Amino acid sequence: DTGVSQDPRHKITKRGQNVTFRCDPISEHNRLYWYRQTLGQGPEFLTYFQNEAQLEKSRLLSDRFSAERPKGSFSTLEIQRTEQGDSAMYLCASSPPGGGYNEQFFGPGTRLTVL
Amino acid sequence: GQQLNQSPQSMFIQEGEDVSMNCTSSSIFNTWLWYKQDPGEGPVLLIALYKAGELTSNGRLTAQFGITRKDSFLNISASIPSDVGIYFCAGSIQGAQKLVFGQGTRLTINP
Repeated sequence: DTGVSQDPRHKITKRGQNVTFRCDPISEHNRLYWYRQTLGQGPEFLTYFQNEAQLEKSRLLSDRFSAERPKGSFSTLEIQRTEQGDSAMYLCASSPPGGGYNEQFFGPGTRLTVL
Repeated sequence: GQQLNQSPQSMFIQEGEDVSMNCTSSSIFNTWLWYKQDPGEGPVLLIALYKAGELTSNGRLTAQFGITRKDSFLNISASIPSDVGIYFCAGSIQGAQKLVFGQGTRLTINP
């Protein structure tokens, strides 16, 4: 049983460039989440998908950020016109179907550095 | 919005000692989760709690869901070197999917 995988693990980019991250959830997990974590802080929620539907977005998700989960399996998170303030660890998590239980299993993260 | 206050921020202990940390909220949560994170890795789920007053163990780890539903505690007994890391509490309110995280407790163990 493989866990949540994320690609790439590290990304270094120049300010103004676009970047895209991929997340593959645990098989048969229909719920998928994106979080952002800056140094010394806990993860902060960005967005949530149930199957292919994006059901919740945080105010942290500015219009430069877009997330998709087109077939209800893997998800991508794109950041356009990156800024230095976007430097962070981007974490993906998934959880199985079933109401009332909110155990979320995290991937290893993608560390983004914007120069 | 909801905020979680986690304490202590850091702990320096001797191997073999017991550890206690806690998390408090200004809001009522219906789920409390405890995670451990190693440098450069994602958080790993340790314990999940779903009922007020619930006490759950996972090996040397024991966590409790406070009866007020506004706090949770994590205890680690007989600490070992591999317990080093950052421990996060996280919670969600009724009907919400997103988790709110505390600021973390950094555990350092002197052999």
